[in-house]
Amino acid sequence: DQQVKQNSPSLSVQEGRISILNCDYTNSMFDYFLWYKKYPAEGPTFLISISSIKDKNEDGRFTVFLNKSAKHLSLHIVPSQPGDSAVYFCAASEYGTNAGKSTFGDGTTLTVKP
Amino acid sequence: NAGVTQTPKFRILKIGQSMTLQCTQDMNHNYMYWYRQDPGMGLKLIYYSVGAGITDKGEVPNGYNVSRSTTEDFPLRLELAAPSQTSVYFCASSYYNEQFFGPGTRLTVL
Repeated sequence: DQQVKQNSPSLSVQEGRISILNCDYTNSMFDYFLWYKKYPAEGPTFLISISSIKDKNEDGRFTVFLNKSAKHLSLHIVPSQPGDSAVYFCAASEYGTNAGKSTFGDGTTLTVKP
Repeated sequence: NAGVTQTPKFRILKIGQSMTLQCTQDMNHNYMYWYRQDPGMGLKLIYYSVGAGITDKGEVPNGYNVSRSTTEDFPLRLELAAPSQTSVYFCASSYYNEQFFGPGTRLTVL
């Protein structure tokens, strides 16, 4: 059973518009969530995170929203730029003995068209 | 600060051969991880370590072994390579939740 799901394998948006990437999770023990960005032939890089005690975290053009009751989070990119074209992975982790370990979704490929 | 380095970048193995994927980090992180990524899929955790001398299995450990003799190094050993181990392998390290990844090793088993 996949505990972290990104149901949209791909998303295409126009430059300057908003990109919304979604992620659902099933494990109620997850209390920290992260987004990573990955370019081809490179390792993933950390983008933004959110703790379960918050429902929103913002960093420049990137905002992550968390809806704990729905076990859903989303990443908003505004405005989208061609350089944002990459694969975005959602990840979730637990505090405590499993701290540091993350469970990853399968990723969403974002294409931003000029 | 090199971050996380991995060698080799590419490797082709024959079925039944063995090899070690090297991973080194210079950030003094206690946590280190090995993942594999198959095409169109996410990252699957193979093994992880919470400090020198301590390792544990992840989601897909079969066919792999690890050791952690120092804080910096976390090599991954493939014994008796099989075509199912064809994948891209990523090493990562972290202080806590945010992980820093290496550039990956693309392994093909023929």
